[in-house]
Amino acid sequence: DTGVSQNPRHKITKRGQNVTFRCDPISEHNRLYWYRQTLGQGPEFLTYFQNEAQLEKSRLLSDRFSAERPKGSFSTLEIQRTEQGDSAMYLCASSSRGAVNTGELFFGEGSRLTVL
Amino acid sequence: GEDVEQSLFLSVREGDSSVINCTYTDSSSTYLYWYKQEPGAGLQLLTYIFSNMDMKQDQRLTVLLNKKDKHLSLRIADTQTGDSAIYFCAGTPGGYNKLIFGAGTRLAVHP
Repeated sequence: DTGVSQNPRHKITKRGQNVTFRCDPISEHNRLYWYRQTLGQGPEFLTYFQNEAQLEKSRLLSDRFSAERPKGSFSTLEIQRTEQGDSAMYLCASSSRGAVNTGELFFGEGSRLTVL
Repeated sequence: GEDVEQSLFLSVREGDSSVINCTYTDSSSTYLYWYKQEPGAGLQLLTYIFSNMDMKQDQRLTVLLNKKDKHLSLRIADTQTGDSAIYFCAGTPGGYNKLIFGAGTRLAVHP
């Protein structure tokens, strides 16, 4: 099964440190999304890529956050100078863009960040 | 706005029907979705409905869409303990670019 893969699954870090998460989407999908989910809430959109182009960024994505998808395949999400409020589950999803696209997103299991 | 609202919790007896409700403010979504999240697992698409439909049935699942009231519901017939999870409704206001999710409804199924 070649679903969406995210690494690491869990990261514990101290406030002020940098962290990076990686997402490997389903291989034939050209769209890749990052969401953030906090306890008791639904996923909140952060950003999305079509191939290597980052087409939209949420205002939730502060200057400390950066996402890349250099070759249009895997993506990384880096958080610099982490704060306790960054503690959340970071979800990656991918989708295809076809003639009969229904907009369905395929999600990974997420990367949980805990900032101490 | 892009608000999607759901009731937070629903408890049902095994074998009964469950109805999970969702209201939204932006009616421009082409599709509306129901996702399921089980503990420790990623979100999984359950079903979706095209915005020009009023109802869609898929085995034990029935989706009803009331565009006038901006109300979406998911009915699960013969609810089983394996249906215990968090259910999210989502839409794509403004196009396919991103899904906007509600806060989720936690469904608890008891014997």
